[in-house]
Amino acid sequence: GNSVTQMEGPVTLSEEAFLTINCTYTATGYPSLFWYVQYPGEGLQLLLKATKADDKGSNKGFEATYRKETTSFHLEKGSVQVSDSAVYFCALFTGANSKLTFGKGITLSVRP
Amino acid sequence: EAGVTQFPSHSVIEKGQTVTLRCDPISGHDNLYWYRRVMGKEIKFLLHFVKESKQDESGMPNNRFLAERTGGTYSTLKVQPAELEDSGVYFCASSQVFGVGEQYFGPGTRLTVT
Repeated sequence: GNSVTQMEGPVTLSEEAFLTINCTYTATGYPSLFWYVQYPGEGLQLLLKATKADDKGSNKGFEATYRKETTSFHLEKGSVQVSDSAVYFCALFTGANSKLTFGKGITLSVRP
Repeated sequence: EAGVTQFPSHSVIEKGQTVTLRCDPISGHDNLYWYRRVMGKEIKFLLHFVKESKQDESGMPNNRFLAERTGGTYSTLKVQPAELEDSGVYFCASSQVFGVGEQYFGPGTRLTVT
């Protein structure tokens, strides 16, 4: 079956530090890949997506590249801000069924 | 445009009691999904409605859970009787298009069963 594995957290960084959050997946077929973010007190929001191999999704300074050869979709940001503190979820969707498959999520805290 | 709303935001009940969670999707979104996150674990799919019909309920844990979507608008998820392992955050999401991963999520209902 489909699965998503995220690196263990939590992660604490200083403002302006470089961020990498690892995500690998197992899927049948050709999944679309997503990063969702949950800010405190809010619902999950789509952060970025990629629908095929070698696509790069980007938004709000975050980037992730769909790597089929390594089955990965790592999230990166060059300079994090305090406002980036949130829980980040990697997810996949194959369309063969109707559901998103999520990783466990990782809590990011950015200190001033 | 109003987002997905869920009620209540937090519910604390005793084992054996009944709880009903409500989700109001974005207006015009035919697809409505329920997910659950047990503390520290993955967000897991429960079921998917297309309008008032259950498209996929493969993630429903057992027959203590009953989801409805009368008239294809809001949805309710009833847990009866609640057990300790039902504790977690229940998310609702909606989408306009069938078969896409871009789903709009509500803030979730945190259910605590004591």
